[in-house]
Amino acid sequence: SQTIHQWPATLVQPVGSPLSLECTVEGTSNPNLYWYRQAAGRGLQLLFYSVGIGQISSEVPQNLSASRPQDRQFILSSKKLLLSDSGFYLCAWSLGSGFQSFGPGTRLTVL
Amino acid sequence: DQQVKQNSPSLSVQEGRISILNCDYTNSMFDYFLWYKKYPAEGPTFLISISSIKDKNEDGRFTVFLNKSAKHLSLHIVPSQPGDSAVYFCAASGQTGGSEKLVFGKGTKLTVNP
Repeated sequence: SQTIHQWPATLVQPVGSPLSLECTVEGTSNPNLYWYRQAAGRGLQLLFYSVGIGQISSEVPQNLSASRPQDRQFILSSKKLLLSDSGFYLCAWSLGSGFQSFGPGTRLTVL
Repeated sequence: DQQVKQNSPSLSVQEGRISILNCDYTNSMFDYFLWYKKYPAEGPTFLISISSIKDKNEDGRFTVFLNKSAKHLSLHIVPSQPGDSAVYFCAASGQTGGSEKLVFGKGTKLTVNP
């Protein structure tokens, strides 16, 4: 069966520090991969998605970037965190059917 | 431009009664709709979905109704249980760009009181 992992589960970082969140999927090949953010009191905002290795589409301009170095690995990064980057970050995968499965999420607090 | 709207940020019902969560969409190209349930500090979990070729889909206590002409869908939970207390997200997708992106509403927080 397919599983999706995210780490770390929680992270507290100072403003201006770098960020790297990792997501990996097991049990499937060539999935579509997604990064979402849920900010306090808000819905799920799609940040990036990828349909293949090295292919990244950005949904909103921001302080973050994404990379897909391997088929089942998706990384969310920032060179310098802002206070507004705080939130709950979710990785998801799909096989193109419209149905997405989500990981457990990472709670990021920027101080 | 919010393509998927959940106009009720919160809903409170008594245990055993029906919970009705509503969702409206504006993009007529959407052809697949999903409901996700989310507990705090966890990822959303898939609950139920419906294709635009149907107007109803039922799974146990959960039923989703789709009214294409009104661009409206609703999730019915009967009977409601305290464990159903969570945030419910409506999502929609269409066959565009090959990415199968989902567009989410902002969610409705359901509280089921014992």
